[in-house]
Amino acid sequence: AQKVTQAQTEISVVEKEDVTLDCVYETRDTTYYLFWYKQPPSGELVFLIRRNSFDEQNEISGRYSWNFQKSTSSFNFTITASQVVDSAVYFCALSSMDSNYQLIWGAGTKLIIKP
Amino acid sequence: SQTIHQWPATLVQPVGSPLSLECTVEGTSNPNLYWYRQAAGRGLQLLFYSVGIGQISSEVPQNLSASRPQDRQFILSSKKLLLSDSGFYLCAWDRGNNQPQHFGDGTRLSIL
Repeated sequence: AQKVTQAQTEISVVEKEDVTLDCVYETRDTTYYLFWYKQPPSGELVFLIRRNSFDEQNEISGRYSWNFQKSTSSFNFTITASQVVDSAVYFCALSSMDSNYQLIWGAGTKLIIKP
Repeated sequence: SQTIHQWPATLVQPVGSPLSLECTVEGTSNPNLYWYRQAAGRGLQLLFYSVGIGQISSEVPQNLSASRPQDRQFILSSKKLLLSDSGFYLCAWDRGNNQPQHFGDGTRLSIL
């Protein structure tokens, strides 16, 4: 069975701190895709990154970085020097043949950045 | 570039009334289309998806239905709304092949 677990329901940090959002996934497939989305208070979901299971290179985009570790089935997301505008709910998702390539969503982590 | 439009942004409806939410995509052809519902403070629940005109797959049995009368148009409907239909409804599209889904701005539906 496929599953995405975001164990952190809510995280609160002070601006400029670094913060890591955890994502642990389960799948029997060897080919799969992992995604992160951001949902700001306005509600729309914004795509951040897609990673396939054959590419374990970490990725950095500005203050955002992602650490993909197949050995621990994790795809964690780190925001460096957080800003108030980073406040949002962040979702991790998985797709593979086992799910007919439909997205399996985590429950989301609400990130609060305090000024 | 591709854009997705979803309307209305907010809707307040009485119990038992009908519903029609519309979603259209521009700038692409033959997209996969999706309807999700998100309860307050919760994750996303896939309601329907469509891989082509007239092709609708339902993920959760419920009081809602979906239709795809045109390639880039996806409609979510109900004949009689229930209180439990309240929530935030999101439409999304993708190109298939595990490409990312792109979402509309959502509709906040309140049932009174």
